[in-house]
Amino acid sequence: TQLLEQSPQFLSIQEGENLTVYCNSSSVFSSLQWYRQEPGEGPVLLVTVVTGGEVKKLKRLTFQFGDARKDSSLHITAAQPGDTGLYLCRGGGADGLTFGKGTHLIIQP
Amino acid sequence: DAMVIQNPRYQVTQFGKPVTLSCSQTLNHNVMYWYQQKSSQAPKLLFHYYDKDFNNEADTPDNFQSRRPNTSFCFLDIRSPGLGDAAMYLCATSKTPDKIGVETQYFGPGTRLLVL
Repeated sequence: TQLLEQSPQFLSIQEGENLTVYCNSSSVFSSLQWYRQEPGEGPVLLVTVVTGGEVKKLKRLTFQFGDARKDSSLHITAAQPGDTGLYLCRGGGADGLTFGKGTHLIIQP
Repeated sequence: DAMVIQNPRYQVTQFGKPVTLSCSQTLNHNVMYWYQQKSSQAPKLLFHYYDKDFNNEADTPDNFQSRRPNTSFCFLDIRSPGLGDAAMYLCATSKTPDKIGVETQYFGPGTRLLVL
């Protein structure tokens, strides 16, 4: 079974600060996705990465896929209250699709 | 706007009383999924339909069934809800991916189920 560990589980920071959250596994994934889920809503896809070492940017969000395709990070610059939510990573591999438990992020004004 | 719609948003049922949750989509996607998400946990895939082909996850209890009468609609039936089945139930759709794990799943807002 492919497991994805996300850290930290909870993070609360002030508006304007930078942060990084992580998604790690001992398994190799052919692809990795990041979703954001706001309270009372379904997850929304932010990005898909498929190549080891790949970096993608989405405005203030920077996503990186590890060289060995076992881990990924999400960096947010100058966080805003609208970034608040549950950030889920999901890996695609030989065993199918696996979600991590997510990082609960709160950005305080 | 094309979207995934789930009704109702909140459902209260009694222990052991069958309940049906519904999902509809205007995206014309051929794959539809049902997930269970408990508080502070990741969504857990229960099953999915690839067109009319039903694919059950190995650890999905028999208490959970699904129907897909046409492309647009998919139902989740819980035959005898237990207290442990209280959760958010998410429906999602996608097109057939060229490669597993790279498809974009579009999620509905979810139905929060409470079992009394």
